[in-house]
Amino acid sequence: LAKTTQPISMDSYEGQEVNITCSHNNIATNDYITWYQQFPSQGPRFIIQGYKTKVTNEVASLFIPADRKSSTLSLPRVSLSDTAVYYCLVGDIYNAGNMLTFGGGTRLMVKP
Amino acid sequence: DVKVTQSSRYLVKRTGEKVFLECVQDMDHENMFWYRQDPGLGLRLIYFSYDVKMKEKGDIPEGYSVSREKKERFSLILESASTNQTSMYLCASPGGDGGGEAFFGQGTRLTVV
Repeated sequence: LAKTTQPISMDSYEGQEVNITCSHNNIATNDYITWYQQFPSQGPRFIIQGYKTKVTNEVASLFIPADRKSSTLSLPRVSLSDTAVYYCLVGDIYNAGNMLTFGGGTRLMVKP
Repeated sequence: DVKVTQSSRYLVKRTGEKVFLECVQDMDHENMFWYRQDPGLGLRLIYFSYDVKMKEKGDIPEGYSVSREKKERFSLILESASTNQTSMYLCASPGGDGGGEAFFGQGTRLTVV
């Protein structure tokens, strides 16, 4: 099971771009990389998922280098409402129990 | 637009009681999960189910059991509640064959007194 390592916390200011990097040195060939966002007293919410290179949606971008041993979640122009915990997950999407193993997450604080 | 619903938002139970936490999903998904979340410990997987009447232990199954009699419903059972089971409980259901986007319920905050 690929283990992930993320910074425990990050601070940013409104309007800035925030990049959160996740290390997953033991990622396997079938593993995908998924990011979730969690607000206090709520369940996590899916943000983005990718396998390699770059994925972009209306919320974020996900950058994955060729060796796939790390990934970077990029949040453009954050606002106060982006203050949350962000989780990086790595696993085989066809193995449910493997796919949804959460690590410690990164607590992002956006300041005015 | 609700996809995963947990039966209670808040529960207070007494030590030794049998407690049922219910989760229902309306997406016809095969897989359903139960987690608990505690400060400083993140989300820990208790049990998951990949089909009706099928279950797999997660990382912390002790003190819990589960039931999946129908595809849409996954129940977490605390056989004899203890104070160390006071926690936020989250139900999730991933799409597709197991991965992709997982939908979470709003959580049940259980207090055992």
